[in-house]
Amino acid sequence: NAGVMQNPRHLVRRRGQEARLRCSPMKGHSHVYWYRQLPEEGLKFMVYLQKENIIDESGMPKERFSAEFPKEGPSILRIQQVVRGDSAAYFCASSPPRDSYEQYFGPGTRLTVT
Amino acid sequence: GDSVTQMEGPVTLSEEAFLTINCTYTATGYPSLFWYVQYPGEGLQLLLKATKADDKGSNKGFEATYRKETTSFHLEKGSVQVSDSAVYFCALWDDKIIFGKGTRLHILP
Repeated sequence: NAGVMQNPRHLVRRRGQEARLRCSPMKGHSHVYWYRQLPEEGLKFMVYLQKENIIDESGMPKERFSAEFPKEGPSILRIQQVVRGDSAAYFCASSPPRDSYEQYFGPGTRLTVT
Repeated sequence: GDSVTQMEGPVTLSEEAFLTINCTYTATGYPSLFWYVQYPGEGLQLLLKATKADDKGSNKGFEATYRKETTSFHLEKGSVQVSDSAVYFCALWDDKIIFGKGTRLHILP
């Protein structure tokens, strides 16, 4: 049973470009969470999604950031017009339907904005 | 709001030393508590958990006890190994996971 998959593992973007981060949850998991980890910081919750629904986006910046989890395919975290402050590691986690605290994390995508 | 505070690192120990990483929390209710471990280049892995007061979570020789009276969940291991070198995160669950800043642990052979 494959774990949570994220790609790419490393992403370099110039200021102003768009970044797309992908997350495939574990088989059987219908809940996806995105977290951001800044250098020397813990993970900060960004958004919680179920298939075709955003359940909680209280941690998402109001502008430039969006997330989706379509019926088919991976969850996507999209950052438009990236700035240097967006440089961070972005982690995705998934959980089975009724155990949201049992989250399984992917290896993360390290975004560097130059 | 809810928060988690853990001791700052890095913590450097010799192999077979005793480990304690302190963690305290602030929450309005009685949240579930966790320790996660992050090995270099990898995502977080759940190390252990406790869901109610006085519960003891344990895994791979690590232990932590949910202390309601001191709002603490300190991580301990009696004899660390070089392979335990990683970053350790204390966290609580209260409708979402809230993480501490992490403690980097270096074990010297």
